[in-house]
Amino acid sequence: GENVEQHPSTLSVQEGDSAVIKCTYSDSASNYFPWYKQELGKRPQLIIDIRSNVGEKKDQRIAVTLNKTAKHFSLHITETQPEDSAVYFCAATQRSNDYKLSFGAGTTVTVRA
Amino acid sequence: EPEVTQTPSHQVTQMGQEVILRCVPISNHLYFYWYRQILGQKVEFLVSFYNNEISEKSEIFDDQFSVERPDGSNFTLKIRSTKLEDSAMYFCAVREGHNQPQHFGDGTRLSIL
Repeated sequence: GENVEQHPSTLSVQEGDSAVIKCTYSDSASNYFPWYKQELGKRPQLIIDIRSNVGEKKDQRIAVTLNKTAKHFSLHITETQPEDSAVYFCAATQRSNDYKLSFGAGTTVTVRA
Repeated sequence: EPEVTQTPSHQVTQMGQEVILRCVPISNHLYFYWYRQILGQKVEFLVSFYNNEISEKSEIFDDQFSVERPDGSNFTLKIRSTKLEDSAMYFCAVREGHNQPQHFGDGTRLSIL
């Protein structure tokens, strides 16, 4: 099955700086990669996703890049704000397994004011 | 607001008892999923459900677990003979169709005593 590794496990950044979270996946057939943000005690919320036919996608301060050859993808948050503090999970999946999500272990991001 | 409502928000049950967790989508979703998240850990896939049958399940989803959609609306997860290690947050997720992302409900916190 799919195995997703996520790094770092914790990340502390100064407000206004950028944050980068990296994930690798094992199954070359995976073709859909969502990112979820989870605040304490809350549900995971989709913040951005990317499909394997695209190398990069951006939505305001958030961007995701995908390298299919190396089987890794990354989340980039620019101009971080205190409300960006949360746990971020990457995931990988594919249509053949009904898009069940295989999650990374999560990254706890703390934005220092 | 989440696209799916989960009840109850918190369930406390004695070990060995059966619990039923419920999930109600707010629109016509075709694909349903259950995930669990043990405190401080990553989200883990349990089962996916499409067209009134299980389409994928993980090794966690053993004979203790079952799912059904009895009335075409509610999607339920039943856990028989609960164990201490079943204590976790259980999330229902839904997907409208192909190439659509999964959206999570607010979850049910299950505490087994």
